[in-house]
Order: sequence, then C-alpha cells, then structure tokens
Amino acid sequence: QVQLVESGGGVVQPGRSLRLSCAASGFRFSTYGMHWVRQAPGRGLEWVAGISFDGSTKYFADSLKGRFTISRDNSKNTVYLQVNSLGAEDTAVYYCAKALGSNGDYEPFDYWGQGTLVTVSS
Amino acid sequence: DIVMTQSPDSLAVSLGERATINCKSSQTILYNSNEMNYLGWYQQKPGQPPKLLVSWASTRESGVPDRFTGSGSGTDFTLTISSLQAEDVAVYYCQQYYNTLITFGQGTRLEIK
Repeated sequence: QVQLVESGGGVVQPGRSLRLSCAASGFRFSTYGMHWVRQAPGRGLEWVAGISFDGSTKYFADSLKGRFTISRDNSKNTVYLQVNSLGAEDTAVYYCAKALGSNGDYEPFDYWGQGTLVTVSS
Repeated sequence: DIVMTQSPDSLAVSLGERATINCKSSQTILYNSNEMNYLGWYQQKPGQPPKLLVSWASTRESGVPDRFTGSGSGTDFTLTISSLQAEDVAVYYCQQYYNTLITFGQGTRLEIK
C-alpha cells in the first residue's frame, strides 16, 4: 500500500533553516510528481511546491519563491523540502502528497502523509 | 494565480439531508483540448490529512461513497452530498491544478444541524 512518511519537523528559531523529508513506499516513486502542502494551525491548505517525476521541473507558490527548495532522490524514494529564513508565518503542518497520475504535471493529489509539524519560535 | 473561492464558509445540515458546497475559480480551469476541468475536491477530518474525493470535477475516487457527487465546468463547481451522514462532518476544499501554481479554496466547514 502507498505510504508517505514525513520527518524533519520540530521547533526552530526564527531565521534558521530546516530540511523536511518524505519517504515514499508502495508505488513506483520515480514515475510520479510529488508536492508539499502546508497548513497553519486552524487554517486552510496552502500548496507550497511541486516537483516532476524526474526532478527536471520544480514549481513554487509565488509568495514563497526564493526561500523554499524542493528536490528528490529517486534512488531513495524520497522528496525533500528545504526551507530557509524561517519566520513565524511558516509555523504549520507540512504534508507531502503524491500526484494522481504518472508522468504528468497537472494532477490532483491522491495520497498524503500524516504531516510533520514545524514550529518557528525563539 | 488562480483564486478559488468557496461558499459558504460553513454549513450546518440535518442528517439525511442534502449538503451543497460551491467553488468558483477566478478564471476558467477547463482545458479546451481535452475538455477536462482541472478541479479536485478534498475532505479533511480533524487531525487527519486531506482525502481526495473527486478529481477532474466529477470523477469520484475509488472507495468514495456515491452520495458524494462533483459537478460543474469552466469556473463554477459544486460538491453535493446527497444524504448527510455523521461521518461526513469535516472541512471540504476545492483545488485547481490547471496550472502549475496550484491553489486551494479557503475551505467549507460542514456540521450537523
């Protein structure tokens, strides 16, 4: 069965950086686009970034461009999100999600991890 | 960015009654070449990640009860729950994936009246 397990969250001081990981299993990882979505406490869903199946194309929410980097290692079935210059507004649960269809860039998300909580606080 | 606006923000419906949630996009999300609407609906229960209910505006995902129906085209979409069950209490989100700058609606909270 498909599993997505995020890690790397925690309490981090403002201005610091963090790298989140999402380990995937149960499907052919190298043929699916992957995404990160975040949810601030008590708020709605905010798409953060996406990466194509082969890592050649990366997409970022306009408001976050420049501070966030997405990457993937298909040999390890893992997708990463690097977040720099963290601020209080980045406090959220970060979910990774799998694209529904293979090899495409325009897909909904059919599987989600349980999320990892990032708290930015001094 | 394509802005997705849901209405209402919250909704209370009696058990067994119909619930209707609307979603409007700021521009068309109908791709003319394949006549597909790039619209998904998600259900999120407290403490859980979102769950995809409907893709391509009207394709119900495997295992989703048939009381959930997605409809609409172009810029106006609807998620209908034909007969509300207690387990349907959740927040519902629409999402457009028409372009690579994916956006979600603000969410609609559905409760039992």
